[in-house]
Amino acid sequence: GNSVTQMEGPVTLSEEAFLTINCTYTATGYPSLFWYVQYPGEGLQLLLKATKADDKGSNKGFEATYRKETTSFHLEKGSVQVSDSAVYFCALQETSGSRLTFGEGTQLTVNP
Amino acid sequence: NAGVTQTPKFQVLKTGQSMTLQCAQDMNHEYMSWYRQDPGMGLRLIHYSVGAGITDQGEVPNGYNVSRSTTEDFPLRLLSAAPSQTSVYFCASWRGGNYGYTFGSGTRLTVV
Repeated sequence: GNSVTQMEGPVTLSEEAFLTINCTYTATGYPSLFWYVQYPGEGLQLLLKATKADDKGSNKGFEATYRKETTSFHLEKGSVQVSDSAVYFCALQETSGSRLTFGEGTQLTVNP
Repeated sequence: NAGVTQTPKFQVLKTGQSMTLQCAQDMNHEYMSWYRQDPGMGLRLIHYSVGAGITDQGEVPNGYNVSRSTTEDFPLRLLSAAPSQTSVYFCASWRGGNYGYTFGSGTRLTVV
């Protein structure tokens, strides 16, 4: 079956540091890949997506590239802010259906 | 505002009690899902629906029932609550295609 593995957290960074959160997946076919973000006390929000190999999703300074050869979708940001503190979830969606499979989530804390 | 509305936001139940978590969306999305979020486990799919009158089981369906009589509503029923059902529950809807899911703000349920 499908699965998503994220780097273990929590991750603590200083403001303006570089961020990488690793995500690898196992899936049949060619799934779509997503990063969702959850701010404290809220539901999940779509951060970015990529629907095919070599696509790069980007939003709010975050980027992730769909790498089929390494089955990865790592999230990066060049300079994090305190307001980026949240839980980040990597997820995949089967091409043939509607189901989302999530990773465990990574808690990011950015200190001033 | 358009989106997914969940009620209640918080609930405490005694073991053996029953209750219904409400979920409504006003975006005319066909697909709706229920997830539970537990520490270190990401989000796991409980039940989902691909349209009115059609529901199916996800990864962790035991102890939960759903029905979908209208496009807008997708309630989740706990027939006899157990402490293992203590969790945060999220309802989500999807318009299809390459769009991401839209999540509600969640219901935090504690079973004592």
